[in-house]
Amino acid sequence: SQQGEEDPQALSIQEGENATMNCSYKTSINNLQWYRQNSGRGLVHLILIRSNEREKHSGRLRVTLDTSKKSSSLLITASRAADTASYFCATPPYGGSQGNLIFGKGTKLSVKP
Amino acid sequence: NAGVTQTPKFQVLKTGQSMTLQCAQDMNHNSMYWYRQDPGMGLRLIYYSASEGTTDKGEVPNGYNVSRLNKREFSLRLESAAPSQTSVYFCASTLQGNQPQHFGDGTRLSIL
Repeated sequence: SQQGEEDPQALSIQEGENATMNCSYKTSINNLQWYRQNSGRGLVHLILIRSNEREKHSGRLRVTLDTSKKSSSLLITASRAADTASYFCATPPYGGSQGNLIFGKGTKLSVKP
Repeated sequence: NAGVTQTPKFQVLKTGQSMTLQCAQDMNHNSMYWYRQDPGMGLRLIYYSASEGTTDKGEVPNGYNVSRLNKREFSLRLESAAPSQTSVYFCASTLQGNQPQHFGDGTRLSIL
């Protein structure tokens, strides 16, 4: 029961450039979360945006949410080689309230020095 | 703070063997989760425990059992391992529903 779907599947950019990843989902949500996964490691939470929020910032990260289009985007500004990782969006299942999340397949970001 | 600790980090099993994956968190979180991650896939929820004393099936529970031993520990058991269960298994925890989840670094399991 795929909920979130990231686009593109892979993205390769130069250090200093901006990286934009998109996530589309299918059902109504009360929040959407973005996670990062470095190779061989567990996921790390980046940012949570609630359904009544349109934009949220955290350092070099900017997340937008458009509930009418059921989509979200993650922008990483002035990327660094250390940003190389896979990025996942995650949403609660429809009607879910117990914290379980449905993850997309992720965007694999490669930042070249 | 260790966060979420998973043991073992790597394991190779033969088809039909059983094993238990251990997970412990030291953040006093109420909810705990087991996911599996296969190449090119996102994480898929196997089982979760919204609070101590409760467990529920996720998206892919077949072939697995879980035990919420206490508030800190949540174990995942494979009773009769199959090659299709070769995967990376992640445990996660959160204070309460819809809060960010904290992940361990995974158990890489190969079943021959």
